[in-house]
Amino acid sequence: ILNVEQSPQSLHVQEGDSTNFTCSFPSSNFYALHWYRWETAKSPEALFVMTLNGDEKKKGRISATLNTKEGYSYLYIKGSQPEDSATYLCAFPNSGYALNFGKGTSLLVTP
Amino acid sequence: NAGVTQTPKFQVLKTGQSMTLQCAQDMNHEYMSWYRQDPGMGLRLIHYSVGAGITDQGEVPNGYNVSRSTTEDFPLRLLSAAPSQTSVYFCASSYSGVRETGELFFGEGSRLTVL
Repeated sequence: ILNVEQSPQSLHVQEGDSTNFTCSFPSSNFYALHWYRWETAKSPEALFVMTLNGDEKKKGRISATLNTKEGYSYLYIKGSQPEDSATYLCAFPNSGYALNFGKGTSLLVTP
Repeated sequence: NAGVTQTPKFQVLKTGQSMTLQCAQDMNHEYMSWYRQDPGMGLRLIHYSVGAGITDQGEVPNGYNVSRSTTEDFPLRLLSAAPSQTSVYFCASSYSGVRETGELFFGEGSRLTVL
């Protein structure tokens, strides 16, 4: 089992703040790193799938970077809005063809 | 577009009963998987499949069986339900392997309570 660690476990920010989370993963035998957004009472939805060292991806106010040599990825949210409140999961492929998920970072954005 | 469909959405079982959680996808995805979500534990992989006739175990396979007779369907069977199997179960599929760029598409989840 390949361990994926996320920090912080939870985060509470004010509307308009920018924030970031960290995902740490094994740096050996890297294939891909996934980020998902999971709103309460819904299903997880993919944000990014990153495969190359130095990759940067962006979707609206959310962006992510990847460092495969040191085994970490950052997820950034610029100008947080209440609708950004969710749990953000990162995941790493296991030895087969499914994902091992971190426990997530729970973000609460208050007006 | 239906995507990934799970049934039932809610189920209550007694200890020792058996049941099957159904999962179907209409996206012609080869890869399918089952996860369970428990408080403080995140999503944990139960079983997965890389195509019809091929399945493999994940992190927490004990007490569960799967089979994949068609590309579309990937049912999860609880052989003899135990209270420890009380959880929310998610089925997911992807077009390509998650080692490449295959993002997962999730069903809406099935909440199971074992008394």
